[in-house]
Amino acid sequence: AQSVTQLDSQVPVFEEAPVELRCNYSSSVSVYLFWYVQYPNQGLQLLLKYLSGSTLVESINGFEADLNTSQTSFHLRKPSVHISDTAEYFCAVSAGINKFYFGSGTKLNVKP
Amino acid sequence: GAVVSQHPSWVICKSGTSVKIECRSLDFQATTMFWYRQFPKQSLMLMATSNEGSKATYEQGVEKDKFLINHASLTLSTLTVTSAHPEDSSFYICSAREIGVEYEQYFGPGTRLTVT
Repeated sequence: AQSVTQLDSQVPVFEEAPVELRCNYSSSVSVYLFWYVQYPNQGLQLLLKYLSGSTLVESINGFEADLNTSQTSFHLRKPSVHISDTAEYFCAVSAGINKFYFGSGTKLNVKP
Repeated sequence: GAVVSQHPSWVICKSGTSVKIECRSLDFQATTMFWYRQFPKQSLMLMATSNEGSKATYEQGVEKDKFLINHASLTLSTLTVTSAHPEDSSFYICSAREIGVEYEQYFGPGTRLTVT
């Protein structure tokens, strides 16, 4: 079975500062990894995903995540955050097409 | 594109009554839809997977007679919470997988259910 741990429930950060949201997973098989973002009163939106190939994946809005299989981590980073990045971020893992396992989420609060 | 809607966005019902939640894929066809439940400060937990035209597959520990799922078309799945109790109060989220698009699910905005 797979599981996902997001180590920080809340991360406060000032605007234009760098941020890292941590995600660790456990799995006995190869997995696919995802980061989703949820803005208030909205559904989850896919931010980025790792299926295969390069372990560094990037999103169109400046986020990136680096898969580290030895540490079983998939941390999300952004070098300079904006107020508009304030949201809740979910890490998810899947070992197949259907079943997703989600972390408990990290609320990113960007302060001016 | 790839928009999923849920209706209602919130509902309050009395204990013992049933409530139906709809999940629609607005601009794509979805052979598979998923229902999740989210408790405060906790993960999304998969409840069941439904494929169009067939019976849903429920996760271990989810009562299929209590949480009735119907996926009658390629754009609509419904979750009916029967004989609701206060412990059924939660945030229910659906997602859908587009035909031919693997490993990605599009999520609805969720439905907040409160049972009094």
